[in-house]
Amino acid sequence: QKEVEQNSGPLSVPEGAIASLNCTYSDRVSQSFFWYRQYSGKSPELIMSIYSNGDKEDGRFTAQLNKASQYVSLLIRDSQPSDSATYLCAVNKKDSNYQLIWGAGTKLIIKP
Amino acid sequence: SQTIHQWPATLVQPVGSPLSLECTVEGTSNPNLYWYRQAAGRGLQLLFYSVGIGQISSEVPQNLSASRPQDRQFILSSKKLLLSDSGFYLCAWGPGTVTFFGQGTRLTVV
Repeated sequence: QKEVEQNSGPLSVPEGAIASLNCTYSDRVSQSFFWYRQYSGKSPELIMSIYSNGDKEDGRFTAQLNKASQYVSLLIRDSQPSDSATYLCAVNKKDSNYQLIWGAGTKLIIKP
Repeated sequence: SQTIHQWPATLVQPVGSPLSLECTVEGTSNPNLYWYRQAAGRGLQLLFYSVGIGQISSEVPQNLSASRPQDRQFILSSKKLLLSDSGFYLCAWGPGTVTFFGQGTRLTVV
């Protein structure tokens, strides 16, 4: 079992709809969770961080964390073509304050 | 504000040639520094990380090495490049687990 798993996609969503991206992780003691967006040929950029169970909203983005079920998700409301990218999930490595374990990413395509 | 500079953006090198990629961070002190590699269509692979000057931890044994000669400078090197070293190299920094990336260097070994 991979430590951080994401569906590779591509996930195709119509413009204006809600895109839902999911990530599961194996280490129950993980404390820090991150979503990054990576456009083709570019470096990843941080979108959201979440540390507590529940929802965290930032503009059109909502991160959801469920530690009991060991999953974290990212919702993108009113999806735009500019949201088309690969979304990476990252979780802090066990017993580390500075290392992240990365998922392989989900490719999201927003269709106009 | 903090910024990270990484250069060059693209690089084509012959097999067996040396490599030196440099990264500097501005606007912060004693950052955690990282070198990642991303092969085409693949996830991020952590190569090295450093929590202080002269402190380097290697995650993957290979023909690459890293050095941190100054607090905000991180260098990735190789004495002899292999074809398999081709990829997208990313320098990153962080105050903790949150990580911020440089623009990346696309290395093609021919």
